[in-house]
Amino acid sequence: DVKVTQSSRYLVKRTGEKVFLECVQDMDHENMFWYRQDPGLGLRLIYFSYDVKMKEKGDIPEGYSVSREKKERFSLILESASTNQTSMYLCASSFPSLWTAKEIGRYGYTFGSGTRLTVV
Amino acid sequence: GQQVMQIPQYQHVQEGEDFTTYCNSSTTLSNIQWYKQRPGGHPVFLIQLVKSGEVKKQKRLTFQFGEAKKNSSLHITATQTTDVGTYFCAPSGGYQKVTFGTGTKLQVIP
Repeated sequence: DVKVTQSSRYLVKRTGEKVFLECVQDMDHENMFWYRQDPGLGLRLIYFSYDVKMKEKGDIPEGYSVSREKKERFSLILESASTNQTSMYLCASSFPSLWTAKEIGRYGYTFGSGTRLTVV
Repeated sequence: GQQVMQIPQYQHVQEGEDFTTYCNSSTTLSNIQWYKQRPGGHPVFLIQLVKSGEVKKQKRLTFQFGEAKKNSSLHITATQTTDVGTYFCAPSGGYQKVTFGTGTKLQVIP
C-alpha cells in the first residue's frame, strides 16, 4: 500500500527549540508539500518542493525552512519554535503534472497522518 | 495558488437527508480536486474534475464542474453517519501548489 509517513504523531517542544518534522513517501512522487491546519483556517501551504534540493515558499513560510536531500524525504524545520506554531502539520506528495498522474493512474495528493505539535 | 470560497462552512443533516457543498472561484480553474477528512484523520483524495460541465459519480456522491469552470459542487444523496467529516475542494493550475478551500464540515445526526 502506497503511503506518506510522518515521523511523529504528537510532539511537545519548548519555545525557542529547533524542531524537525520528517516526512517520507514511497510513491516516487516528485512533488512534496508541508501544510499546517488550524481550526477555521483550513489547510495553509508552508513550503513545497518539486525536485530534490528544490524548494518554493508557500503562503505562510515565515518561521519555517525545509530540506529535501533525497526524493523520498522532505523535512520541515522550525528554527526557533514559538507558541503560535502550535498546530497540526500535514505532509503530502503528488506527481508533478496531471498528465503524469493520468499515465500512472493515481491522482491527487497523498497525505501523511499528520503531526500534532504543541509548543509550550 | 487560486483562491476559492467554499460554502457552507458547517452543515448538520439528519441521516438520510441530502447534502451539498459548493466551491466558487472568481477566476477560471484548470481543474479541481475534492478531498474528505474524517474527524482526527487526514485529507483523502476523492476525485478530480477537468472538463467544463463534467459530472462524475461515486456511489452516493455526485461531483460537478461548472460550465465556466469557475465553480464546483459535491452532492451526497441520502447521507449516512459514515459521511461525517470535512470536505475540501482544491483547485489546481497543474499539480503544483494546490490551494485548498476552507472546507465544509458535515455532521450527520442518526
